[in-house]
Amino acid sequence: NAGVMQNPRHLVRRRGQEARLRCSPVKGHSHVYWYRQLPEEGLKFMVYLQKENIIDESGMPKERFSAEFPKEGPSILRIQQVVRGDSAAYFCASSPDLDAYGYTFGSGTRLTVV
Amino acid sequence: DAKTTQPNSMESNEEEPVHLPCNHSTISGTDYIHWYRQLPSQGPEYVIHGLTSNVNNRMASLAIAEDRKSSTLILHRATLRDAAVYYCILRDLFKYSGGYQKVTFGTGTKLQVIP
Repeated sequence: NAGVMQNPRHLVRRRGQEARLRCSPVKGHSHVYWYRQLPEEGLKFMVYLQKENIIDESGMPKERFSAEFPKEGPSILRIQQVVRGDSAAYFCASSPDLDAYGYTFGSGTRLTVV
Repeated sequence: DAKTTQPNSMESNEEEPVHLPCNHSTISGTDYIHWYRQLPSQGPEYVIHGLTSNVNNRMASLAIAEDRKSSTLILHRATLRDAAVYYCILRDLFKYSGGYQKVTFGTGTKLQVIP
């Protein structure tokens, strides 16, 4: 029973390029959450999605960032025109409808912008 | 949302018990107390949760004060693999804000285990 799968584990992008981060939730989980962790800082909520719907994007920057969770396939976090300040670890989590036991997190994607 | 307060860091000797405290003086009656931990270079992982009664599982025990204004995560025998940041989080599972309540992380307690 695979957990949350994130890929790639490490991603290097030059300033101005696009970064696409993928997250496959636990089988049967229909809720996906993205978090960002800047170096030496805590985890910050970015966005919460259900299949084909964005439920809460209150933590996601208004510009350059977007997220989707299509009917088929993984959830994607897209960062356009990356800047050095986007360098961080991005974690995806998933939960079933009844998430009394909390979220299951992936191992993260470490984005480095050079 | 009710907040939690944890020490920034703690040390423990290997194979000794560890008591990680959390204060949550503004906790509401329907707030569950959740604990997560984040090992180095890993995503957070769920550890344990409880409402009023003490809880035990294979990873840890959770002791909840009678007034629920504080709780303690207990690792019975610390190992080097328990070195991590431990987060205490409150979640009101009966609150509807868009039909869910997101998990919000504070700064947690960084546990160092000394061999």
